[in-house]
Amino acid sequence: GENVEQHPSTLSVQEGDSAVIKCTYSDSASNYFPWYKQELGKRPQLIIDIRSNVGEKKDQRIAVTLNKTAKHFSLHITETQPEDSAVYFCASGDGSARQLTFGSGTQLTVLP
Amino acid sequence: KAGVTQTPRYLIKTRGQQVTLSCSPISGHRSVSWYQQTPGQGLQFLFEYFSETQRNKGNFPGRFSGRQFSNSRSEMNVSTLELGDSALYLCASTPRVGKNTEAFFGQGTRLTVV
Repeated sequence: GENVEQHPSTLSVQEGDSAVIKCTYSDSASNYFPWYKQELGKRPQLIIDIRSNVGEKKDQRIAVTLNKTAKHFSLHITETQPEDSAVYFCASGDGSARQLTFGSGTQLTVLP
Repeated sequence: KAGVTQTPRYLIKTRGQQVTLSCSPISGHRSVSWYQQTPGQGLQFLFEYFSETQRNKGNFPGRFSGRQFSNSRSEMNVSTLELGDSALYLCASTPRVGKNTEAFFGQGTRLTVV
């Protein structure tokens, strides 16, 4: 089955700096790659996703890149703010999003 | 539009008991997927239901089961509870079967087995 590896497990950055989280996947059939943000005690919320027909997608301070050949994708957050502090999960699946395989999560801390 | 609703939010059960959790998807969403979240194993897929039929199943023992009703609401059941079943159980709904959809999660049910 699919396996998704996520690094780093913890990440601390100064407010205003950039944060990068990387994931690799194993199943070449995967073509949907969402990123979820989960604050303590809350539900995972989709922050951005990318499908295999594009290499990069951006939404304000958040961007995701996908390299299908290397089977890895990354989340980039620029100009980080304290409210960006949370656990971030990458995931992979088919385009239906009905069965997602998640990475182990990254605890991002933005220091004021 | 109301989001995905899970009930109850918290449960405490004793080993050996069984438990039923409920998930109401976003109106119009017909697919419901269940996940188990633990500190050690992260988020793991349990199963997915569409049109009252289980379509996909993760690698969990048969003690974990589910069903879906004609209004798309879903329940999951865990029988003969073990301490290791303590977890946050999340359900997610998607709009339709097919491509280019996204999953919306509920707040989860926190199950503690003592």
